[in-house]
Amino acid sequence: DVKVTQSSRYLVKRTGEKVFLECVQDMDHENMFWYRQDPGLGLRLIYFSYDVKMKEKGDIPEGYSVSREKKERFSLILESASTNQTSMYLCASTSAQDRTQGEQFFGPGTRLTVL
Amino acid sequence: LAKTTQPISMDSYEGQEVNITCSHNNIATNDYITWYQQFPSQGPRFIIQGYKTKVTNEVASLFIPADRKSSTLSLPRVSLSDTAVYYCLVGNSGTYKYIFGTGTRLKVLA
Repeated sequence: DVKVTQSSRYLVKRTGEKVFLECVQDMDHENMFWYRQDPGLGLRLIYFSYDVKMKEKGDIPEGYSVSREKKERFSLILESASTNQTSMYLCASTSAQDRTQGEQFFGPGTRLTVL
Repeated sequence: LAKTTQPISMDSYEGQEVNITCSHNNIATNDYITWYQQFPSQGPRFIIQGYKTKVTNEVASLFIPADRKSSTLSLPRVSLSDTAVYYCLVGNSGTYKYIFGTGTRLKVLA
């Protein structure tokens, strides 16, 4: 069974802290994505990566960076957390063999609270 | 990227067929239509995808008219466990981007 795991289900941080959210997939997928989900706004794409060390900005990259040093791992970094980054963060992956890139496999999410 | 419009919420009763329609007037020639299901405190889960006409799998059917400006997800004989948020997306591999809107919150009543 395919699996995407995220390092934490719940996380509480203070304003100004550096925050790392980790995502690991065991499906040998080339493409990985980070979204945030907020009430009334749906899911919004922060960054995606289509290969190791490759990344592209999504719709809301401001305040975030990413790292992909290994194929199975995609990290989201909040350099200096702010209260408006309190949200649910979802990681997803797809295979490059998926011609449409439509079947994304999601992790369970990390609910981040910034105080 | 094509924007989608769906009803915010729907109620249904157990055993009924539920149809959720999504509007995507600006769909591009290369775009596919994809539906996801999301339960509380979980990530979305892929349900079905199509390009035109009708697609059916063990979970749902997807109806797409010839002009492709809308699509309808059909869930046969829903149960309480189908209570979830359903998202309609359009996109294609060229962009790697799919827009998840606010979805349709389906509540199945006993």
